[in-house]
Amino acid sequence: QSALTQPASVSGSPGQSITLYCTGTSSDVGAYDLVSWYQQVPGKAPRLLTYEGSKRPSGVSNRFSASKSGDTASLTISDLQAEDEAYYHCSSYAGENSWVFGGGTKVTVL
Amino acid sequence: QVKVVESGGGVVQPGRSLRLSCVVSGSRFSEHGMHWVRQAPGKGLQWVAVISYDGYYKTYGDPVKGRFTISRDDSENAVYLQMDNLRGDDSAVYYCATSILGATKDNWGQGTLVTVSA
Repeated sequence: QSALTQPASVSGSPGQSITLYCTGTSSDVGAYDLVSWYQQVPGKAPRLLTYEGSKRPSGVSNRFSASKSGDTASLTISDLQAEDEAYYHCSSYAGENSWVFGGGTKVTVL
Repeated sequence: QVKVVESGGGVVQPGRSLRLSCVVSGSRFSEHGMHWVRQAPGKGLQWVAVISYDGYYKTYGDPVKGRFTISRDDSENAVYLQMDNLRGDDSAVYYCATSILGATKDNWGQGTLVTVSA
């Protein structure tokens, strides 16, 4: 159950698009289309943004889109806004009813 | 609207035990699984445990195997985390999350803080 790899920080200007990456292995990200992405404002609980690949829960903006290629999952935030400044965590099913998270990426809006 | 509320955190000495509770409202509780996830200060999220909708399957993260036990009581719409032989690196905010939409953690509580210290 090794943690997924996420860059520590990513930044962008308002209106830009940025992409966050989450790298796993052929035993987790690469094996299943079961990656989720979460947004977390410091001091608050995580909020689900996408799940099972590219699905979005009701109420989540379509500015957030997820995809996967091989062992790497990605989350693209389009039309970056000040309110998007937060930490973003990825998580993947890792087989045998277990899950694994990444270390989180801090997104800064310049 | 689904609401998740954790309780039971506090300060505990190393080697002692603590039991966390999580109550869910607004969902068909007996029809979905439940997760515990923790976050140490300044760190990322770490998956702790999951229990299936029927309580049959219980799985744990490697750091807590053999020390933590997850259980559920559908009559109370509650899930519990019994934490034994606590260590300093168990100090974290513990979150409870539902698994309603599918293979994910969709509704989260605000968390309960556990501090393990002598």
